[in-house]
Amino acid sequence: AQKITQTQPGMFVQEKEAVTLDCTYDTSDPSYGLFWYKQPSSGEMIFLIYQGSYDQQNATEGRYSLNFQKARKSANLVISASQLGDSAMYFCAMSRGFTGNQFYFGTGTSLTVIP
Amino acid sequence: NAGVTQTPKFQVLKTGQSMTLQCAQDMNHEYMSWYRQDPGMGLRLIHYSVGAGITDQGEVPNGYNVSRSTTEDFPLRLLSAAPSQTSVYFCASRGQSSYEQYFGPGTRLTVT
Repeated sequence: AQKITQTQPGMFVQEKEAVTLDCTYDTSDPSYGLFWYKQPSSGEMIFLIYQGSYDQQNATEGRYSLNFQKARKSANLVISASQLGDSAMYFCAMSRGFTGNQFYFGTGTSLTVIP
Repeated sequence: NAGVTQTPKFQVLKTGQSMTLQCAQDMNHEYMSWYRQDPGMGLRLIHYSVGAGITDQGEVPNGYNVSRSTTEDFPLRLLSAAPSQTSVYFCASRGQSSYEQYFGPGTRLTVT
């Protein structure tokens, strides 16, 4: 069975500092995709970053990077130079297959950026 | 280009009533899906569709029906609402070979 675990219900970070949000996953599928989404207080879901299970290099998108450790089954999100606008809920998710039809989300981490 | 739209934004139902949550996308995406988001539980997949006429169940399909008669629309039907279906519902779509899902703004449903 597929499962995503986010063990940090809430995190605080000082503005301009870097922060790591943890995500571990469980799957027996050889091919899968890993995702991070941001949900501000307004409620919309915003795609941040994607990593395929066969990608050798960690994915990066601007200030976001995904620290992919396949043997440990972890896919942590690193946000560099935090901004006040980064305060939001962050969800880790996994798909069966690289662009699979079945998606599984974690329970989320609430990030608060302190000025 | 409106992206993914959902109607209504808010809805209150009484137990046993039926209703349809509407979802439409104008990006010609083959894949569409419905999720529910409950406090502390993240998003859970209800149903999905990979094209017109093709639907399949997700993680929590009980109590919900879907159909896909056109590429653009993917309505979610609650035949007999129950308080356990109180949740925020999100519709999403993506292109067939794309990994990025685009989410609608959500529908907040309360069943009393």
